Amino acid sequence: AQTVTQSQPEMSVQEAETVTLSCTYDTSESNYYLFWYKQPPSRQMILVIRQEAYKQQNATENRFSVNFQKAAKSFSLKISDSQLGDTAMYFCAFWNYGGSQGNLIFGKGTKLSVKP
Amino acid sequence: GAGVSQSPSNKVTEKGKDVELRCDPISGHTALYWYRQSLGQGLEFLIYFQGNSAPDKSGLPSDRFSAERTGGSVSTLTIQRTQQEDSAVYLCASSPRGGGRANEQFFGPGTRLTVL
Repeated sequence: AQTVTQSQPEMSVQEAETVTLSCTYDTSESNYYLFWYKQPPSRQMILVIRQEAYKQQNATENRFSVNFQKAAKSFSLKISDSQLGDTAMYFCAFWNYGGSQGNLIFGKGTKLSVKP
Repeated sequence: GAGVSQSPSNKVTEKGKDVELRCDPISGHTALYWYRQSLGQGLEFLIYFQGNSAPDKSGLPSDRFSAERTGGSVSTLTIQRTQQEDSAVYLCASSPRGGGRANEQFFGPGTRLTVL
């Protein structure tokens, strides 16, 4: 069974600074995606960034980038130039697209506070 | 275009009552998922519908929980004889298809269920 672990329940960062959120996962599968989702107080889950396991190049979306270490099963999210609007819960998620189940497996989340 | 919608937004019920939660997926999406998010926890998979196939019910926590999807579109999650531990946010997501690569799940805003 796959598991996703986020070891930082809460983090804070000053506006305009950089912060890194950690995520590790455990799987024996080969065909999978990893995701970071953002959940602001509105509860709406928003996809921030995705990484396909077979791609070695780290994904980047504007101020968001990942450090994907496949051998170590590590998938951290770096947020550069943090903004107040980045304050939210961040969830790391795993999806085995080679399996019969379509569901995502989530970590317990990291609550990020961006301070002015 | 319209995203995934859920109703009601909030539901307060008494222990022992039955509740129905509704999800309207994005038009044309064949896959639909229900997740439960308890306080301080990540999202827990409940059930997955893909087209006309039999649903994957492997995440349902007890036989008090059931779900149906009519006409391949709207879905209803029913919780019978609610218990206090059922209090959580129930999130619905849809995707264009259940399997394959690059298959993003789009989430609704959730229903917050409180069982008194």
